[in-house]
Amino acid sequence: KAGVTQTPRYLIKTRGQQVTLSCSPISGHRSVSWYQQTPGQGLQFLFEYFSETQRNKGNFPGRFSGRQFSNSRSEMNVSTLELGDSALYLCASTTQGGYQETQYFGPGTRLLVL
Amino acid sequence: GQQVMQIPQYQHVQEGEDFTTYCNSSTTLSNIQWYKQRPGGHPVFLIQLVKSGEVKKQKRLTFQFGEAKKNSSLHITATQTTDVGTYFCAGPFSGGYNKLIFGAGTRLAVHP
Repeated sequence: KAGVTQTPRYLIKTRGQQVTLSCSPISGHRSVSWYQQTPGQGLQFLFEYFSETQRNKGNFPGRFSGRQFSNSRSEMNVSTLELGDSALYLCASTTQGGYQETQYFGPGTRLLVL
Repeated sequence: GQQVMQIPQYQHVQEGEDFTTYCNSSTTLSNIQWYKQRPGGHPVFLIQLVKSGEVKKQKRLTFQFGEAKKNSSLHITATQTTDVGTYFCAGPFSGGYNKLIFGAGTRLAVHP
């Protein structure tokens, strides 16, 4: 099976712009979670989607949003970018999103905000 | 809120020395997972522990889950340069699906 894919892999934006990141889960996986990784804050949970519904959300401002499509692919959007949004954005997929399931991470999108 | 703490933050060892990282949760966990992230890479799942007192081994890696299911450790015997990376423990958030609370990670450097 192909792994989790994320596009783009690298992105440079300027403050105030918006960005959309894409994640394609492993075939058959219906749950997609997003995480932000920074040197200072580590890995932090953004949100989780299952069957096109957001089931769980982390402590991030409303500028961070996401959605999931019927084919389980997911996108996350960050509006009005700030310098502090520079990070590695990771998505992870599981079959159902159960608490004992292994999460398979994609390679991530490295976002640099100037 | 729920927290997972991990120590040490960094560990430098000579090749062949042993290495241990410790993980402590503020709450009882249903399970604990360990991930490894190579420099420039993404977290890769290593193992999941579910039972109280569970010990699992993967070649030179030994994982333990505490009796109270609030702490865990990863021990690497005779480190090799291929062990370089950051090791994260993670526990499921008690309040929702598929949300992992990650420790800050332990970055391992191995000097040949």
